[in-house]
Amino acid sequence: AQKVTQAQTEISVVEKEDVTLDCVYETRDTTYYLFWYKQPPSGELVFLIRRNSFDEQNEISGRYSWNFQKSTSSFNFTITASQVVDSAVYFCALRGNTGKLIFGQGTTLQVKP
Amino acid sequence: DGGITQSPKYLFRKEGQNVTLSCEQNLNHDAMYWYRQDPGQGLRLIYYSQIVNDFQKGDIAEGYSVSREKKESFPLTVTSAQKNPTAFYLCASSIEWLGETQYFGPGTRLLVL
Repeated sequence: AQKVTQAQTEISVVEKEDVTLDCVYETRDTTYYLFWYKQPPSGELVFLIRRNSFDEQNEISGRYSWNFQKSTSSFNFTITASQVVDSAVYFCALRGNTGKLIFGQGTTLQVKP
Repeated sequence: DGGITQSPKYLFRKEGQNVTLSCEQNLNHDAMYWYRQDPGQGLRLIYYSQIVNDFQKGDIAEGYSVSREKKESFPLTVTSAQKNPTAFYLCASSIEWLGETQYFGPGTRLLVL
């Protein structure tokens, strides 16, 4: 069975703090894809990043960075110098050979000014 | 601009009534999806369509129906058989079925009167 676990239900930080959102996944597929989406209060899911199982290189995009470690089945997301606009629900998701996208429960991030 | 549109933004359903949620995309994507999101939970797959004139049940298809007569359109009907329809419904599309990134529409919030 495939599963995505985001153990942090809610995180609250003060602006300019760094914050890491954890994601742990389970799959028996050798080829799979991992995703992060952001859901602001408006509700629309915004795609942030996709990683395939053969690419463990870390990714940095501005204040966002992602750490993919197959050895621990984790795909963590770090926001550096957080801003109020980063406040949202963040979802980690897994897509294996079934083609279905399996979502975690989401982590609500609140960045206070 | 290319994207996914969903209408209406809010929808009210009376007991025993069928309602239809619209999803249109102009991205020329082959695959389309419907998800349901309940408060504090991740997204669950209702139906998906890999290509026009074809669709498959997802994990929670009971009480829902879909059609895919045109590549750009994938309407979802919430039937009277769905006893707990109050939720946020998100439509998504991807270039093709397997491995590609799914992009989401703005969502429709369905409430029962």
